[in-house]
Amino acid sequence: DIQMTQSPSTLSASVGDRVTITCRASQSISTWLAWYQQKPGTAPKLLIYKASFLESGVPSRFSGSGSGTEFTLTISSLQPDDFATYYCQHYNSYPYTFGQGTKLEIK
Amino acid sequence: QVQLVQSGAEVKKPGASVKVSCKASGYTFTSYDINWVRQATGQGLEWMGWMNPYSGNIGYAQKFQGRVTMTRNISISTAYMELSSLRSEDTAVYYCARNGQNTRWLDPWGQGSLVTVSS
Repeated sequence: DIQMTQSPSTLSASVGDRVTITCRASQSISTWLAWYQQKPGTAPKLLIYKASFLESGVPSRFSGSGSGTEFTLTISSLQPDDFATYYCQHYNSYPYTFGQGTKLEIK
Repeated sequence: QVQLVQSGAEVKKPGASVKVSCKASGYTFTSYDINWVRQATGQGLEWMGWMNPYSGNIGYAQKFQGRVTMTRNISISTAYMELSSLRSEDTAVYYCARNGQNTRWLDPWGQGSLVTVSS
């Protein structure tokens, strides 16, 4: 199975900050990677697919990059609504696996 | 709009089984796969398996092989996930999520179904 490793596990930041979350795959997954945002008590919401494609309706301050084994999710200017937990997930092949999550907290 | 609506919360005793439903609307049910993902309280997301509603083909994560069964009723556009031999560690929110042949990411997701295993 492909292992996905996210860092950091927790990130403290302020409104207006630029933040980056990293996701590493244990083997090459080309660009078969998605990013999700999850708020407490709700289902995950798709933000980015195919490593860098922004889902419709997602603010342009979110961006994704990378290919192969290294990927990043960047939020260019944090807004109050962005404090949540973020997960990467590969869909290169079954079984799908998720990163362990990055909790973005208000500093 | 595309929507997945799941069944309500369940409380089960250890050793019992639970069957969670996921009703699809807003698209052709047989044109997309349904995946199941679970999340224990305060923990991350764990993929359990997938099912193709058209063919009935399934694939399960090794961890759940022998305990999970994914089925569907095409006439009512509903997918099911049954987990047997429940133990306390199976207490979690269970989500269904759609993906397709050309859209392999998971979107949308159901609202989640809490399954509590307690004696």
